[in-house]
Amino acid sequence: EVQLVESGGGLVQPGRSLKLSCAASGFTFSNYYMAWVRQAPKKGLEWVATISTSGSRTYYPDSVKGRFTISRDNAKSSLYLQMNSLKSEDTATYYCARKDWELDYWGQGVMVTVSS
Amino acid sequence: DIQMTQSPASLSASLEEIVTITCQASQDIGNWLSWYQQKPGKSPQLLIYGATSLADGVPSRFSGSRSGTQYSLKISRLQVEDIGIYYCLQAYSALTWTFGGGTKLELK
Repeated sequence: EVQLVESGGGLVQPGRSLKLSCAASGFTFSNYYMAWVRQAPKKGLEWVATISTSGSRTYYPDSVKGRFTISRDNAKSSLYLQMNSLKSEDTATYYCARKDWELDYWGQGVMVTVSS
Repeated sequence: DIQMTQSPASLSASLEEIVTITCQASQDIGNWLSWYQQKPGKSPQLLIYGATSLADGVPSRFSGSRSGTQYSLKISRLQVEDIGIYYCLQAYSALTWTFGGGTKLELK
């Protein structure tokens, strides 16, 4: 059974950093692109980052480019999102997701609140 | 950037009714369009991929179609468990993905 379990969320002050993790199981992690998607409270979904199977290619929207870094450790079947210079508008539930043709499996999400 | 205009933003329908949600892409995205259902307090779940292919375990009353740059999700006979918010996603380019704004589906 495919499982994606996010962790590392919490309350953080504006301008500070936070690192999210996603532990994957039930599939060969190194064979899949992975992604992070977020959802601000009562809002829609927003793509945040994508990483290739080896980690050599990463993609971001302008809203987080230069502040967020997606990475992975295939030996540990883990996905990460390093978030720096956090802003109030980064407050959201963050989901990790597996990319096959599309995003076929999602984690349960982890909440990040950016507030002073 | 590719824009995805999803409509309607909200929809109220009766049980057994046919429901259609659309996403209009601002440019050609081929079949790189998927649909997701999100129930309250839950993660999104994949319904349709490749514009028209049904994901594993999804009831056959769900279907996807494409006409040029307009994509549609159809629920042939609405059931109570179909209530939620629906999103389209274009992933034509690895450089940038775009979700539609969402459609909140409620029971009339």
